[in-house]
Amino acid sequence: DAGVTQSPTHLIKTRGQHVTLRCSPISGHKSVSWYQQVLGQGPQFIFQYYEKEERGRGNFPDRFSARQFPNYSSELNVNALLLGDSALYLCASSFEYTQYFGPGTRLTVL
Amino acid sequence: GENVEQHPSTLSVQEGDSAVIKCTYSDSASNYFPWYKQELGKRPQLIIDIRSNVGEKKDQRIAVTLNKTAKHFSLHITETQPEDSAVYFCAASMGNQGGKLIFGQGTELSVKP
Repeated sequence: DAGVTQSPTHLIKTRGQHVTLRCSPISGHKSVSWYQQVLGQGPQFIFQYYEKEERGRGNFPDRFSARQFPNYSSELNVNALLLGDSALYLCASSFEYTQYFGPGTRLTVL
Repeated sequence: GENVEQHPSTLSVQEGDSAVIKCTYSDSASNYFPWYKQELGKRPQLIIDIRSNVGEKKDQRIAVTLNKTAKHFSLHITETQPEDSAVYFCAASMGNQGGKLIFGQGTELSVKP
């Protein structure tokens, strides 16, 4: 049974550009959450989607947006990239309480 | 606001010793407390979790205890092995259906052979 998958693995962008990150949850999981992990810190919650509806939003600017598709996969979009957006972006899928993380996308903004 | 404090930030033990990591949460509505292990460059992996209606849970060498009154929960690893070396994160959540996890700052555990 496949785990959570994310693409791409690594990404390098320049300031001002936009980026789209993708996540496929574990089969049967209807909830997807996105987290940002800066080096040396714990993951910070960005969004949760359940059954294609936004269920929660963290303390991130409007440059961050997300959506969930009918097959429960999800995209995270970040516009007008800043140097401070450089981080590991983690997707987690869940069934009830437990959240399982994907391998993450390492975003570097130059 | 919501906050999870985790201590210590680094922990070094000899192989075979026990390791204890402690967390405190601020929101009394929190009802789910997972622990994740993250090796360098890898994803956080769930190692054990506990819900608020349970005071203690064990899984082989790993145990978690929860004190709802004090809003404390702890991870206990016995008979530590070098492969236990990693960063450990505690987290707290208020709901099911994969609700928002608030993470602690992490503890870097080093187990020396």
